[in-house]
Amino acid sequence: SYELTQPPSVSVSPGQTARITCSGDALPKKYAYWYQQKSGQAPVLVIYEDSKRPSGIPERFSGSSSGTMATLTISGAQVEDEADYYCYSTDSSGHHSVFGTGTKVTVL
Amino acid sequence: EVQLLESGGGLVQPGGSLRLFCAASGITFSSYAMTWVRQAPGKGLEWVSAISGSGGGTYYADSVKGRFTISRDNSKNTLYLQMNNLRAEDTAVYYCASVEYWGQGTLVTVSS
Repeated sequence: SYELTQPPSVSVSPGQTARITCSGDALPKKYAYWYQQKSGQAPVLVIYEDSKRPSGIPERFSGSSSGTMATLTISGAQVEDEADYYCYSTDSSGHHSVFGTGTKVTVL
Repeated sequence: EVQLLESGGGLVQPGGSLRLFCAASGITFSSYAMTWVRQAPGKGLEWVSAISGSGGGTYYADSVKGRFTISRDNSKNTLYLQMNNLRAEDTAVYYCASVEYWGQGTLVTVSS
C-alpha cells in the first residue's frame, strides 16, 4: 500500500524556521496537503494543493513540492505552532488517500 | 458557518456493527467529496473511506474494505459510515471531513 514518510519530530527555537518533509512516490503527480493537529483537537488544513494557503492561515506557513518530496515550512515559528503535522495525498490511481506518518513540532 | 457534526459512536462488542452519521450545514453538500478519517488513541491519522459528491464513487482503505460501507444522502446533507464485523483495532475517533472542513469526531470503542 502507498505510504507517505515524515520525520517523527522537528525542534526549533521561537522565531526560527521549521521544515517538515513528506516523501512519497506519487507526489510528482499528486498534490500534497498539510494538516496541523493540536492536542485534543480536530486537524486544521494549513496548506492545500502543494503551496496554497487557506484563508485565516498565517503567512509564516508555506508549502512546496519537488519530485517525490513535499515540504511544509514554518518561517518564524511561534510557540502556538507546537502541534502534530500530517501530510496527505493520494496514490497514483487517485482512489486511495493516505496520511503521512506525522511530525511532532516542538518550539522552545 | 460550515459545520460537520458526527454522531453514532459508542461502545460495541467485537463482531458487532455501528452506523456513524455526519450532518453537514453551511456548505452545498453535494458539491463536496467527503471522507471518513480515524485516529486510534495516541496514534496518527488514518484515511478510512471516501465518496464522490454524487455518491457514485466510493473508495476504501484495505483495512476496512468489505466491512465498512460509506454512503450519503444529499437531500439530507448527511454522510454515513456503516461499520460491520468490528474489531478491537477499529477503536478510534472517527472524523467526517472534506479537504478543508472537519467535524470534531465521534469515538468508537470496540471491546468486550
